[in-house]
Amino acid sequence: GAVVSQHPSWVICKSGTSVKIECRSLDFQATTMFWYRQFPKQSLMLMATSNEGSKATYEQGVEKDKFLINHASLTLSTLTVTSAHPEDSSFYICSAREVRASGDFSSSYEQYFGPGTRLTVT
Amino acid sequence: AQSVTQLDSHVSVSEGTPVLLRCNYSSSYSPSLFWYVQHPNKGLQLLLKYTSAATLVKGINGFEAEFKKSETSFHLTKPSAHMSDAAEYFCVVTRGYGQNFVFGPGTRLSVLP
Repeated sequence: GAVVSQHPSWVICKSGTSVKIECRSLDFQATTMFWYRQFPKQSLMLMATSNEGSKATYEQGVEKDKFLINHASLTLSTLTVTSAHPEDSSFYICSAREVRASGDFSSSYEQYFGPGTRLTVT
Repeated sequence: AQSVTQLDSHVSVSEGTPVLLRCNYSSSYSPSLFWYVQHPNKGLQLLLKYTSAATLVKGINGFEAEFKKSETSFHLTKPSAHMSDAAEYFCVVTRGYGQNFVFGPGTRLSVLP
């Protein structure tokens, strides 16, 4: 259980175009999803926190108008990179936190990660 | 504020020898701690987690970690390295449910034949 998928797994686009990346929780509901960015040989950097039905919370330094996040349902969040430029090329990873009303609180801390999307802007 | 230090950016071991990946954290609260592994161009896989239960945590693929509050450490160990263990390892701290994850810088593990 607790599988998160991302689509596409890799994408190449031209400078100035927009790209949409989907993050889906396949077998659980996620009120909160997270978007991370990872540069080569570096750690993950949190970009934004996405809550179902409300506006995303962006980390300092992340442009809201450039990285549009939508979390319209409990199983889907999307990240749209608008007017992409070569410096936006990176590995984007999403994660999801499961809705838990009660019970196993040790699992409530956990985030389940997607396989990542490699974006290359030419 | 929370932070994570992974003391070694790169660790190299021979196949069959023990693995030690070090992690120290800073947290004002009782933390939850995780170790994730990332193989090249892949997502993250959870190895193990500590969430205020037993201090010695056993994970998948023979890995384990011990939470030592006095040393603010959560080092990852494995008795015998396998070639398939070569990957990037991230130590993560969170303050608890509803709080963001804070990632360490990562340690690249190489396993020599």
